[in-house]
Amino acid sequence: DADVTQTPRNRITKTGKRIMLECSQTKGHDRMYWYRQDPGLGLRLIYYSFDVKDINKGEISDGYSVSRQAQAKFSLSLESAIPNQTALYFCATSESLAGGTGELFFGEGSRLTVL
Amino acid sequence: QKEVEQNSGPLSVPEGAIASLNCTYSDRVSQSFFWYRQYSGKSPELIMSIYSNGDKEDGRFTAQLNKASQYVSLLIRDSQPSDSATYLCAVPPGGSQGNLIFGKGTKLSVKP
Repeated sequence: DADVTQTPRNRITKTGKRIMLECSQTKGHDRMYWYRQDPGLGLRLIYYSFDVKDINKGEISDGYSVSRQAQAKFSLSLESAIPNQTALYFCATSESLAGGTGELFFGEGSRLTVL
Repeated sequence: QKEVEQNSGPLSVPEGAIASLNCTYSDRVSQSFFWYRQYSGKSPELIMSIYSNGDKEDGRFTAQLNKASQYVSLLIRDSQPSDSATYLCAVPPGGSQGNLIFGKGTKLSVKP
């Protein structure tokens, strides 16, 4: 089983629908991240969390919200999906600062299509 | 806004050649640098990290860092068709560990 698991892996939805992407990890890392990837634009950070009580906006947080339900779970919500949120979404984890290398470990991705 | 710049490619090299991938970054206080490889439709995976000026070698891969020039590169020796992928350069903003800023990636194609 993957250390960082994302569900669903693929989702097609309609404009205006609420969508939740879920991420769970078994690596025991404190830090979790949500990125989106668009062709030609690379990976862009949406939200990140350094522990259960710490949530931070990234570069492109508008239109998104997150919830850190537990150390191992970090979900991303689109309250009212729009077509330009069609993208490949990645969850990632990393160790905390002390003793960590800074390496990110990625989930397999969730492909979202908004019609 | 901190930036990480890469040539988008595609970079095409023949099998057995050296592939050279380049990255520049704008944040002068950055202390750690990462190269990720991403196959089409897959998630990024770390292949090299470098923290000090100079070269770091790992098998066929060599990362080179020049902090004064804000430049980091990745050399792939004896390139193989299996090296065909997009290579992403990543840097933590503000010199801290944690979230990474990624370049847009360079697509490498190794021709048999």
